[in-house]
Amino acid sequence: QQQVKQSPQSLIVQKGGISIINCAYENTAFDYFPWYQQFPGKGPALLIAIRPDVSEKKEGRFTISFNKSAKQFSLHIMDSQPGDSATYFCAAFMNTGFQKLVFGTGTRLLVSP
Amino acid sequence: ETGVTQSPTHLIKTRGQQVTLRCSSQSGHNTVSWYQQALGQGPQFIFQYYREEENGRGNFPPRFSGLQFPNYSSELNVNALELDDSALYLCASSLAGASTDTQYFGPGTRLTVL
Repeated sequence: QQQVKQSPQSLIVQKGGISIINCAYENTAFDYFPWYQQFPGKGPALLIAIRPDVSEKKEGRFTISFNKSAKQFSLHIMDSQPGDSATYFCAAFMNTGFQKLVFGTGTRLLVSP
Repeated sequence: ETGVTQSPTHLIKTRGQQVTLRCSSQSGHNTVSWYQQALGQGPQFIFQYYREEENGRGNFPPRFSGLQFPNYSSELNVNALELDDSALYLCASSLAGASTDTQYFGPGTRLTVL
């Protein structure tokens, strides 16, 4: 019940296209949903995050769509660029006396020139 | 850059040995969490330290232990290393009680157990 399921495992998008990564969760105690971007050999870097009382959040080319009733959320990368090629992790945050992030399994995105 | 630093960058140990990894949290942050990231997987929560005490733990055995110091820096200790302990170990700092729940990650320590 504490899992976060992420798909697809890998994604190839042409430059200028839209990249879409989907996640689903079960535990309604999660109350904050960040997305992290990770380049090889680096730690995850916060990209964008949303709370469940908001259905959409946009920051530049990155948009999170959130469907509370379906317990699903997704990341859209508009006008994808080769520099966006990285692994993306969705996560869900729970604060039950301590702060804990539960991560999805990751999506390896390759944006072809 | 998040301001979270970790040392060493890489480490090679043999099975049965002990290892200590270090983390300096971002300025102003009072909480440190440790995660293990196996190759090709998402990070898995090990434990969290707040006010120099462990206040939450994931599904990891007691041979994984830690410390937090008064300056909020932290150590992760792993005893009796096993081959499956080979992973990227990530430290994340945050501010307990802040309006946001954001955890900021360091670059990680790559541990290889032979």
